[in-house]
Amino acid sequence: EVYLLESGGGLVQPGGSLRLSCAASGFTSSNYAMSWVRQAPGKGLEWLSTISGTGGSTYYADSVRGRSTISRDNSKNTLYLQINSLRAGDTAVYFCARASSTYWFDLFDYWGQGTLVTVSS
Amino acid sequence: EIVMTQSPATLSMSPGERATLSCRASQSVGSNLAWYQQKPGQAPRLLIHGASTRATGIPARFSGSGSGTEFTLIISSLQSEDFAVYYCQRYHNWYTFGQGTKLEIK
Repeated sequence: EVYLLESGGGLVQPGGSLRLSCAASGFTSSNYAMSWVRQAPGKGLEWLSTISGTGGSTYYADSVRGRSTISRDNSKNTLYLQINSLRAGDTAVYFCARASSTYWFDLFDYWGQGTLVTVSS
Repeated sequence: EIVMTQSPATLSMSPGERATLSCRASQSVGSNLAWYQQKPGQAPRLLIHGASTRATGIPARFSGSGSGTEFTLIISSLQSEDFAVYYCQRYHNWYTFGQGTKLEIK
């Protein structure tokens, strides 16, 4: 069974940094692109970043480009998102999601339960 | 940038009724359109992909249609567990979500 578990969220001060992790199980992670999606309180879904199965290709939304880095360690079946220069508008639940194939912009067939990031002083 | 617009923002319906949710793309996305269901405190769940193909385990009362710029999700007879927020998403060349439609009990 496919399972995704995010961790690393919490309270961080404005201007701070955070590294989120997503532990995957039940599939060979290198065979699938992976993404991060966030949801601000009471708001909709916002795609943030995608990484190919091998990690060789990465893509970012404008809202996080230049201050975030997506990466993966397939030997550990783990996906990461490093976000720097955090601001109040980054407060959200952060989900990891699996693309349904190796193609990095394929639909999301599995999601984690999310980890809450709160940016506040 | 392709913008996905969902309507209505909120839909108030009763169990047993037929619900019709719409999603419009500002440019053609072909059939690269997915629908997700999200309940409070939960992750989104894939319902429909390729505009009209139900995901594994999704009941037949959910159906999707459309292509290009106009898409529809129909729930033929609402069950209590169907009241949730629904998002459309275009994929394949990039990702964009619609803003969501909240399906609430009337």
